[in-house]
Amino acid sequence: EVQLVESGGGLVQPGGSLRLSCAASGFTFSNYGMSWVRQAPGKGLEWVSTISGSGGSTYYADSVKGRFTISRDNYKTTLYLQMNSLRAEDTAVYYCAKSGTEQGYYYMDVWGKGTTVTVSS
Amino acid sequence: EIVLTQSPGTLSLSPGERATLSCRASQSVSSSYLAWYQQKPGQAPRLLIYDASSRATGIPDRFSGSGSGTDFTLTISRLEPEDFAVYYCQQYGSSHPLYTFGQGTKLEIK
Repeated sequence: EVQLVESGGGLVQPGGSLRLSCAASGFTFSNYGMSWVRQAPGKGLEWVSTISGSGGSTYYADSVKGRFTISRDNYKTTLYLQMNSLRAEDTAVYYCAKSGTEQGYYYMDVWGKGTTVTVSS
Repeated sequence: EIVLTQSPGTLSLSPGERATLSCRASQSVSSSYLAWYQQKPGQAPRLLIYDASSRATGIPDRFSGSGSGTDFTLTISRLEPEDFAVYYCQQYGSSHPLYTFGQGTKLEIK
């Protein structure tokens, strides 16, 4: 069974840092692009970042570029999101999601349950 | 940047009725790279439709997608009680941003 399990969320002060993890299982992790998508309380879905299967290509939304870094460890089959200079508007549930195909960046066919990040003093 | 606009914002229908949800793009979505997701309260999104009209694994055939270019539709032929949720469209054909989502349509029980 394909499974994604996020962790690392919590309460952090504005300007602080947090690292999210997403443990993957049930598929050949290194073959698939992976993404982070967030959802602010009561709001819609917002794409945050995507990384290729090899880790050699990364993409970011303008709202997080320069503050967040996506990475992956294909031996540990784990996806990461390093979040620095956090702002109140980064408060959200953060989901990791798997690309539906081995090549390119397409629809997201499997999602984790999410981890909650709250940025507040 | 491709902006996706979903309509209506809220749709009130009864079980057994037909639901038609719209997603309009500000510019043409290449190769019909459009997906639909369902999200229930407190749950992660679930993929329903990809490439505009292909049903994801395990999705009932009462769900169907259609459209191309800038106009796309998700149709639920006969609503079941478990279908009442929020639905999002997403495009994945552009270079930047890589993905965009519509603002969602809430399908509620009338």
